[in-house]
Amino acid sequence: DSGVTQTPKHLITATGQRVTLRCSPRSGDLSVYWYQQSLDQGLQFLIQYYNGEERAKGNILERFSAQQFPDLHSELNLSSLELGDSALYFCASSPWDGGYNSPLHFGNGTRLTVT
Amino acid sequence: AQKITQTQPGMFVQEKEAVTLDCTYDTSDPSYGLFWYKQPSSGEMIFLIYQGSYDQQNATEGRYSLNFQKARKSANLVISASQLGDSAMYFCAMRESETSGSRLTFGEGTQLTVNP
Repeated sequence: DSGVTQTPKHLITATGQRVTLRCSPRSGDLSVYWYQQSLDQGLQFLIQYYNGEERAKGNILERFSAQQFPDLHSELNLSSLELGDSALYFCASSPWDGGYNSPLHFGNGTRLTVT
Repeated sequence: AQKITQTQPGMFVQEKEAVTLDCTYDTSDPSYGLFWYKQPSSGEMIFLIYQGSYDQQNATEGRYSLNFQKARKSANLVISASQLGDSAMYFCAMRESETSGSRLTFGEGTQLTVNP
């Protein structure tokens, strides 16, 4: 158990809809990273927050947004969903902003299916 | 250019034998970390082993060892005495100190199948 909690585990929704994915980092971790894993794109970094502030952005679509709350949990909002948004979405956490010598600890992911 | 390259989409190994999964990386950052993760069919991402760019010795964690060749920019994972439960997707990944937030950048992965 990595200590990172993601809910829900599965989500099935229709095109055009909006969903919210939730992540609680490991106790004491201040950084949250969001990743998307799809068959054709592999594991893609979306966005990172540290102690409530956005710190880095990757290949995140404008239809997607995220935030980190004062209790450090994070939410990833996906809107105007398209079939191609179907993927496994991971949240990962680490204690610091940056640093290269410690692993990111991943949650079990939310599997999103857009029909 | 690809930062992490895993050239073996699939690998097969007999139970109890050793297997090497290849990984090469590309960075100009002198400070970086290399990581291997395991993703079973159930989907979770499990951290296996870490190697830092300044580490003189190869990392080991139980049956996992990392063959780090800095000049060649390679960080191959060696799994000894393979078990059926080792069947999974394996990802090589890198964190660079100069990248904002030090995100993990992943390779495409290698699907390992352990045969009885």
